Amino acid sequence: GAVVSQHPSRVICKSGTSVKIECRSLDFQATTMFWYRQFPKQSLMLMATSNEGSKATYEQGVEKDKFLINHASLTLSTLTVTSAHPEDSSFYICSARAGGPSYNEQFFGPGTRLTVL
Amino acid sequence: QKEVEQNSGPLSVPEGAIASLNCTYSDRVSQSFFWYRQYSGKSPELIMSIYSNGDKEDGRFTAQLNKASQYVSLLIRDSQPSDSATYLCAVNNDYKLSFGAGTTVTVRA
Repeated sequence: GAVVSQHPSRVICKSGTSVKIECRSLDFQATTMFWYRQFPKQSLMLMATSNEGSKATYEQGVEKDKFLINHASLTLSTLTVTSAHPEDSSFYICSARAGGPSYNEQFFGPGTRLTVL
Repeated sequence: QKEVEQNSGPLSVPEGAIASLNCTYSDRVSQSFFWYRQYSGKSPELIMSIYSNGDKEDGRFTAQLNKASQYVSLLIRDSQPSDSATYLCAVNNDYKLSFGAGTTVTVRA
């Protein structure tokens, strides 16, 4: 299957700082990438849909000024958690949608575990 | 009403047995359905996709789709301890995936 990478895999930061997470599609071009958040024992919750060259579309209840998304190229999307607080501690996972016959399939990155102290 | 519902589990099966996972969805126009496996602390891994009514087999996995009943299932044959994970049902709606809460499967050696 298609390979998606994320960096960093784990980050610990102080409250009030900003954290940037990168998501890359390694062997395919992804016109659309998705950002999810998963709290312990819960399922994935979609935060936003990111399309290359355009503004991200955020799900209801997700603050676009707090979670900044940039999709500058067909292989890279970034999520910046601004002024992070302990309640933002979570597992952040990106996915990318491949084109072609399997265009609805999403391939997930390995995730980034964010801990805000 | 939740968009995607899965049998709550956890599901415990002996090694070598069949694990049966069920999922129902509410949006009748959905066309694409997926099963993901998620190990603890890891991200989801796509194991099956199904688009047409009927069965689709891939190794020890069989997905079944019934659009009239808005039902999709996953069978794991000859279950192995390495199959112990949470299985997520996902339904595509307008290019976005809606996930069920997941069913945790434990395969007893």
